[in-house]
Amino acid sequence: DTEVTQTPKHLVMGMTNKKSLKCEQHMGHRAMYWYKQKAKKPPELMFVYSYEKLSINESVPSRFSPECPNSSLLNLHLHALQPEDSALYLCASSQVGASTDTQYFGPGTRLTVL
Amino acid sequence: AQSVTQLGSHVSVSEGALVLLRCNYSSSVPPYLFWYVQYPNQGLQLLLKYTTGATLVKGINGFEAEFKKSETSFHLTKPSAHMSDAAEYFCAVRPLLYESGGFKTIFGAGTRLFVKA
Repeated sequence: DTEVTQTPKHLVMGMTNKKSLKCEQHMGHRAMYWYKQKAKKPPELMFVYSYEKLSINESVPSRFSPECPNSSLLNLHLHALQPEDSALYLCASSQVGASTDTQYFGPGTRLTVL
Repeated sequence: AQSVTQLGSHVSVSEGALVLLRCNYSSSVPPYLFWYVQYPNQGLQLLLKYTTGATLVKGINGFEAEFKKSETSFHLTKPSAHMSDAAEYFCAVRPLLYESGGFKTIFGAGTRLFVKA
């Protein structure tokens, strides 16, 4: 099974709401990633978790709060977002070993902030 | 610093024609290079990757790419386009592993491939 699942597929939220995005994989990967992708743009790395610990934060605003409760799950908690945060949020996973390892992407959550 | 440049934001070919998507990279160390495809409203799927060894790399769906160090290029080709190839294609370079684990993939701006019947 080489699948990364993400829920929900679509999310609409107001600027005062609190919501969470969920990502799950069962490939035994110990590195997990959050990317943000605006329309007609490449994905931009937000966070990297390695062995359930945050290893990379690409200067992401604090209104985005990642969490890795176990080796299979990755959450992204959202609070007080801005309309410009509307985007496709992609989760990915990989082995922790070498830069040659394949990164598997989920289908994404399409987020709209009103 | 490593970077990737994809020449042409849009490429249009006829069904059955050759597909050529261009990618040039900049890297001070031997790079790891990747091509990903993204279909509408979906995540990214790895087409192929170059790490070391043979410079002509074959991937899924009949695609291949050739690493040319002298030209700092990693162009993607397919001999005969199919309607199902219509998608966004991203060239990417991957630098050294982070000390703390995981890695950062640097993506090009993407090329939208259109296939005409």
